[in-house]
Amino acid sequence: EIVLTQSPGTLSLFPGERATLSCRASQSIRINYLSWYQQKPGQAPRLLIFGASSRATGIPDRFSGSGSGTDFTLTISRLEPEDLAVYYCQQYGSSPWTFGQGTKVEIK
Amino acid sequence: QVQLVQSGAEVKKPGASVKVSCKASGYTFTSYGISWVRQAPGQGLEWMGWISAYNGDTNYAQNLQGRVTMTTDTSTSTAYMELRSLRSDDTAVYFCARVPSYNPLDNWGQGTLVTVSS
Repeated sequence: EIVLTQSPGTLSLFPGERATLSCRASQSIRINYLSWYQQKPGQAPRLLIFGASSRATGIPDRFSGSGSGTDFTLTISRLEPEDLAVYYCQQYGSSPWTFGQGTKVEIK
Repeated sequence: QVQLVQSGAEVKKPGASVKVSCKASGYTFTSYGISWVRQAPGQGLEWMGWISAYNGDTNYAQNLQGRVTMTTDTSTSTAYMELRSLRSDDTAVYFCARVPSYNPLDNWGQGTLVTVSS
């Protein structure tokens, strides 16, 4: 099973700042089948990024994904108050699909 | 628009079974798969498995093999997840999500809280 390790555990930033979230895999992810989800308190997760770098429908362009192999990054270019959430990476290239443990983004 | 509407909260005793439903609308049900994901209180996301709504093929997480069964009813565009021999650590919110071929979970249900308690 591929283990995904996210860092940092918590990120606390001011509105307008840049947020950089990391996801590292225990082995290379096939065809960069890596996605990112946003989960706001009390809500279901929402797909942000698929294929490591493609934005899902309706996702603002301040969200971007990058990386390949075992190292991936989600960047929020200009943080907004509504970005308060936990962000999860997930790999869907190998069974079982696995999630990282999440990064909590706090707004100062 | 795509919608996945799940059944309501359940309270079960240890050893019992629970069956959660997920009714899909707004798309061709048999053209996608359905995955189930659970989230224990205050914890992260755990993938439980996947079912093809086209032919019923399934792929379950190894730690749930033998206790979980995923099915679909194409006549009503509804997916089901049954979990048996419930334990207290099965207490969680259970989500269904649509899965396009070779793509991740792109639309999610609202979640169903299952509480296992004596």
